[in-house]
Amino acid sequence: AQTVTQSQPEMSVQEAETVTLSCTYDTSESDYYLFWYKQPPSRQMILVIRQEAYKQQNATENRFSVNFQKAAKSFSLKISDSQLGDAAMYFCAYSPSLIQGAQKLVFGQGTRLTINP
Amino acid sequence: DTGVSQDPRHKITKRGQNVTFRCDPISEHNRLYWYRQTLGQGPEFLTYFQNEAQLEKSRLLSDRFSAERPKGSFSTLEIQRTEQGDSAMYLCASSRQGHTIYFGEGSWLTVV
Repeated sequence: AQTVTQSQPEMSVQEAETVTLSCTYDTSESDYYLFWYKQPPSRQMILVIRQEAYKQQNATENRFSVNFQKAAKSFSLKISDSQLGDAAMYFCAYSPSLIQGAQKLVFGQGTRLTINP
Repeated sequence: DTGVSQDPRHKITKRGQNVTFRCDPISEHNRLYWYRQTLGQGPEFLTYFQNEAQLEKSRLLSDRFSAERPKGSFSTLEIQRTEQGDSAMYLCASSRQGHTIYFGEGSWLTVV
């Protein structure tokens, strides 16, 4: 069974600084997707960024980028120029290939990110 | 695009009572998912529909839980004979096949 581990329960960063959230996963599949979701205090889960395992290039979305290390099964999220609105729980998630069956997400335990003004 | 909506947002019930949650997915999304999230944990998959067919159920979904998606549109999740361990947030999500999953704001259940 696939598992996702986030070893940092809490992180904090000064506004405008850069922070990196860690995630490791375990799977025997070669084709899969990885995601970072953000869950603000309003509780709605929002997709931040997604990475296809077959792509070597790291995904980027504005201030958010990932460092995907397939051999090491590591998938970290870097937030640049942190803003107060980035404060939230961040969840790393794994999904098997979108072509095969259900796109069922396996989530990590989450990292609570605090932005200090 | 109105997003995934869930109702009610909060429910307090006495142990042993039945509760039902409703989810309206994004229109034209043929896949609908239910997840459960307890405090301090990531969401856990419960079940999934493709159109009106329930194609997968987690072992977390005991026989007190039943989910339906009549006509492949909205879905309901019913919990019978609630227990205190059922207290959690129940998240609904939807997607088009092969595309990003979008989540609703969740329905909080407190069993007293």
